[in-house]
Amino acid sequence: KAGVTQTPRYLIKTRGQQVTLSCSPISGHRSVSWYQQTPGQGLQFLFEYFSETQRNKGNFPGRFSGRQFSNSRSEMNVSTLELGDSALYLCASSLGRGTAGADNIQYFGAGTRLSVL
Amino acid sequence: GDSVTQMEGPVTLSEEAFLTINCTYTATGYPSLFWYVQYPGEGLQLLLKATKADDKGSNKGFEATYRKETTSFHLEKGSVQVSDSAVYFCALSQKIGGTSYGKLTFGQGTILTVHP
Repeated sequence: KAGVTQTPRYLIKTRGQQVTLSCSPISGHRSVSWYQQTPGQGLQFLFEYFSETQRNKGNFPGRFSGRQFSNSRSEMNVSTLELGDSALYLCASSLGRGTAGADNIQYFGAGTRLSVL
Repeated sequence: GDSVTQMEGPVTLSEEAFLTINCTYTATGYPSLFWYVQYPGEGLQLLLKATKADDKGSNKGFEATYRKETTSFHLEKGSVQVSDSAVYFCALSQKIGGTSYGKLTFGQGTILTVHP
């Protein structure tokens, strides 16, 4: 069974640009969550999508947005990039049925490393 | 809000030494608790989990017990190997009305280096 796939693995952008990151979840998983990892702030939750609807949202500005498609694939978009957006962006998928046990285990992709110059 | 605190790192050990990484949490209700591991250049891998008080999660020689009275979930291994060198993250997910959502709250991570 294929794992969570994130593309691209590396991105270099300049301030003011926008960027779109992609995440393909494990087959059968309907929940996709996004996280930002930086040396200073650690791992922070961005948002979660389940069945094409945003179900949960972290404390990030509106420049960070996402969506999920009917096949559960998800994209994350960051507009008007700032230097502080340089980070490793991780996507995780789960069955997402919302009960304790196996359903709420999140499986992570290798991440997209974004550098903003 | 919910929070997770891990012991300050990094941790450096010799092979076959005993490992403990402390983790405490602050949360309402009865969250699920996790340990994830991150190897260089990779995403996070689930190491073990516990979903209710007194549960013990175990995997690959690692163990952690959900202690509600001390709000702790300390990670232990009796004999570490060089291949255990990685970053370890303690995390929790909250249940709302019995439903778990896809939000993990992480500790700051602990870098473990094991020397031969």
